[in-house]
Amino acid sequence: DVKVTQSSRYLVKRTGEKVFLECVQDMDHENMFWYRQDPGLGLRLIYFSYDVKMKEKGDIPEGYSVSREKKERFSLILESASTNQTSMYLCASKSPGLGRGYTFGSGTRLTVV
Amino acid sequence: AQKITQTQPGMFVQEKEAVTLDCTYDTSDQSYGLFWYKQPSSGEMIFLIYQGSYDEQNATEGRYSLNFQKARKSANLVISASQLGDSAMYFCAMSFTGGGNKLTFGTGTQLKVEL
Repeated sequence: DVKVTQSSRYLVKRTGEKVFLECVQDMDHENMFWYRQDPGLGLRLIYFSYDVKMKEKGDIPEGYSVSREKKERFSLILESASTNQTSMYLCASKSPGLGRGYTFGSGTRLTVV
Repeated sequence: AQKITQTQPGMFVQEKEAVTLDCTYDTSDQSYGLFWYKQPSSGEMIFLIYQGSYDEQNATEGRYSLNFQKARKSANLVISASQLGDSAMYFCAMSFTGGGNKLTFGTGTQLKVEL
């Protein structure tokens, strides 16, 4: 089974801190994604990557950046955390092609105080 | 731009009854995929069912079926014989080949199964 591992289940950070959320997948997938989930808004795409060092903005990239130095690892970076970035963050990976095959991590609940 | 609409924020169903969760989508692409995910209170995203835009038959996976009406751009999820363990948030999502395979999600429907 494909595994997508997010390094932390819960995080509490202070306003202004630089925050790294890590995601690692073990199936050599090219495509990786970062979403944030908020009540009533569903999941919204922050950034995605289709290859090492390749990244594209999603629907809500403001305040975030990403890094993909190795195929298996996709990091989400909050350069200066703010309280409105308090949310659940979900990472996913996918093999090429249109069909099924998305695998999600278990999520990181980030609280910025 | 792709858009998924789920108009039911919350639904209740009696155990053993069938329930339909609504999903409509908007896209100008001809080739796309439609997904349903279940998210229990634990937070994990569980894949339920997939329908390709060129699939002629409605997808089924055990108690789950997808009522795909392409002309109406509708992809409703039908859960037969509801169980207490079906209580969860359900998300409809869409992907398309021109979009880097990214998934676009609806806002979700919270389903509660009652005795």
